[in-house]
Amino acid sequence: GAVVSQHPSRVICKSGTSVKIECRSLDFQATTMFWYRQFPKQSLMLMATSNEGSKATYEQGVEKDKFLINHASLTLSTLTVTSAHPEDSSFYICSARDQWDRGIGETQYFGPGTRLLVL
Amino acid sequence: QQQVKQSPQSLIVQKGGISIINCAYENTAFDYFPWYQQFPGKGPALLIAIRPDVSEKKEGRFTISFNKSAKQFSLHIMDSQPGDSATYFCAARVKGNAGNMLTFGGGTRLMVKP
Repeated sequence: GAVVSQHPSRVICKSGTSVKIECRSLDFQATTMFWYRQFPKQSLMLMATSNEGSKATYEQGVEKDKFLINHASLTLSTLTVTSAHPEDSSFYICSARDQWDRGIGETQYFGPGTRLLVL
Repeated sequence: QQQVKQSPQSLIVQKGGISIINCAYENTAFDYFPWYQQFPGKGPALLIAIRPDVSEKKEGRFTISFNKSAKQFSLHIMDSQPGDSATYFCAARVKGNAGNMLTFGGGTRLMVKP
């Protein structure tokens, strides 16, 4: 099956620093990638939709200047948490949609997640 | 506003029993209903999915039942095993300009006791 990787798997940083998280589709091309945030014991909350070669679409309440998304190629999207603060600590998960998948639901394939801890 | 309501929040089942998780939705524009399984510290993995033109879909021990008129769908796990212990999320999709964005239910933490 399709594989999505994320790097790093976990990161600890000091308050005020910026952190970049990479999301890669390893064996398919993804014109669309999604970034989610998940707090402990809670559901996934969509942060933004990333489209290759264009600006990301952010969900209501998500600060686009704080969570910078770049989708420069069909296999890579990055999320940069700028000037991170302790409240940004969370589990960040990306998903990618295979642009050629015309199956039952044009399945989204999820990455393994990145655990961010801001001290 | 939670567009997909999932219940129960947690579920304990004995090994060999049937686990049942329910979801309800309001938006009739949803056209695809997947279920995801998530283990601690991992990303969600697609388990099984259904379209609204089908009332039931079965894959191994996992079955989705879909009731379009009631706007409800459920996941049944037959012969539940301790390895099934995980958090399960239902989801729904509206096909639109956002490239098929998913809306998730609140999740159900399943524990299967040996």
